Amino acid sequence: DSGVTQTPKHLITATGQRVTLRCSPRSGDLSVYWYQQSLDQGLQFLIQYYNGEERAKGNILERFSAQQFPDLHSELNLSSLELGDSALYFCASSGTTYEQYFGPGTRLTVT
Amino acid sequence: GESVGLHLPTLSVQEGDNSIINCAYSNSASDYFIWYKQESGKGPQFIIDIRSNMDKRQGQRVTVLLNKTVKHLSLQIAATQPGDSAVYFCAENNSGYSTLTFGKGTMLLVSP
Repeated sequence: DSGVTQTPKHLITATGQRVTLRCSPRSGDLSVYWYQQSLDQGLQFLIQYYNGEERAKGNILERFSAQQFPDLHSELNLSSLELGDSALYFCASSGTTYEQYFGPGTRLTVT
Repeated sequence: GESVGLHLPTLSVQEGDNSIINCAYSNSASDYFIWYKQESGKGPQFIIDIRSNMDKRQGQRVTVLLNKTVKHLSLQIAATQPGDSAVYFCAENNSGYSTLTFGKGTMLLVSP
C-alpha cells in the first residue's frame, strides 16, 4: 500500500459526459501528479500540482483540467468524454525526493 | 485485473533464472532513474533508483546498472520468482524538473 488513495476504482460513463476523479496523496506529500495509461500509450504524464499550484504540464487535453485543494487532495476533471479517453488514470505523490508513489488507479470506460 | 502490456516487449523466464530487463533513455541531461514494477490491476510500485554519479546499485535481489555513455539502464532480478511477473518501467528525471518520463515498459513472465 503506497498511501495514495484514488476514488472511484471504476467509472463507466457515456460519450459527451463529464467525470471527476479524486486523489489523496501520502501524508505530508505536497506534489501530486496525474497520469493516463492506455494499452498502446504506456504511462503518459498529464499534469503536476505542488502545494496547490500547477507546477508542470504534460500531454493534457484542453478538455481535461485538474486542481489541488488546500488539504492537498487533487481532482482531475474530464469533460466532453470520447471513446478514446477510456484508460486507467493514476495519481502519484511525492515529497522531498523525485520518487513518486502511485495510487491504485481509476479505470474509466467511456461507452 | 486487466493487463496493461498487450503490446509490450515480453521477457519469458523460468523460475529461479536471473532476468535482465533493458531500457534505453532519451535525455542525456537525465540524472536520476527509477525502476517501477506494475502488477496487473495495480499502480506502479517503486523497486530501485540510481543517480547518474553511480553506475551500479544493488537492492534485495535486484541490481540496476547505468551506462551513461550509451544512455542505457538495466534491471537485473536474481532468482526470479512467479511473483515477479509484472510489467517493468524505467523512468528518468532531469533534476532541473520535477517530473518523471516513463519508458514503454517490458512484461516479465515467470513460469514455475
